[in-house]
Amino acid sequence: QSVLTQPPSVSAAPGQKVTISCSGSTSNIGNSYVSWYQQLPGTAPKLLIYDNYKRPSGIPARFSGSKSGTSATLGITGLQTGDEADYYCGTWDFSLSGVVFGGGTKLTVL
Amino acid sequence: QLQLVESGGGVVQPGESLRLSCAASGFTFSNFGIHWVRQAPGKGLEWVMFISYDGITKNYEDSMRGRLSISRDNSRNTLSLQMNALTPDDTAVYYCAKSGSSNYYIDVWGKGTAVTVSS
Repeated sequence: QSVLTQPPSVSAAPGQKVTISCSGSTSNIGNSYVSWYQQLPGTAPKLLIYDNYKRPSGIPARFSGSKSGTSATLGITGLQTGDEADYYCGTWDFSLSGVVFGGGTKLTVL
Repeated sequence: QLQLVESGGGVVQPGESLRLSCAASGFTFSNFGIHWVRQAPGKGLEWVMFISYDGITKNYEDSMRGRLSISRDNSRNTLSLQMNALTPDDTAVYYCAKSGSSNYYIDVWGKGTAVTVSS
């Protein structure tokens, strides 16, 4: 049981848009910054979004992040087959004094 | 380029210990905190622990607290994680990962080292 709640799976057609939600509480998302990670099959995770909405160098603008209260959302537009991966949200939890992750969302591009 | 390389994984029996290492390159190691994150087969990411840039602050996931010992050598850009009293639930790929500009997120991940605990 993960501290942060994500839908297990989402799907959409190539070229479409998808959003992935991440729900937490005041001890984590509500008082911290959210990051998002992409994990392609058989590889290590990769940072997509940090500080709620910022993109590291090299991450296309198709990927966006937002936060409201104790929830956060990752948006991906112009879906490509290469976007098929597991996506994880993460943040710091002040009650646990550690990083917490969501359970992950598997994105399928139909 | 920025790189983290883990080593030391392997197969051990329940109750045994294992030492994982992480070698960093391409950035000023002494300026950044380091996280360990693990991923059991077919499961999601699970944070294990964090060590601050100077090695003074250490935070642990509750189930592993008391079984972990960590140290870092900023002169050699290396980090060592000792794991004791291992159980089958500790079977996972262990990732060494660099903190970003804040300790709340990870901006560089190693490729991971696999640990299997089995009799």
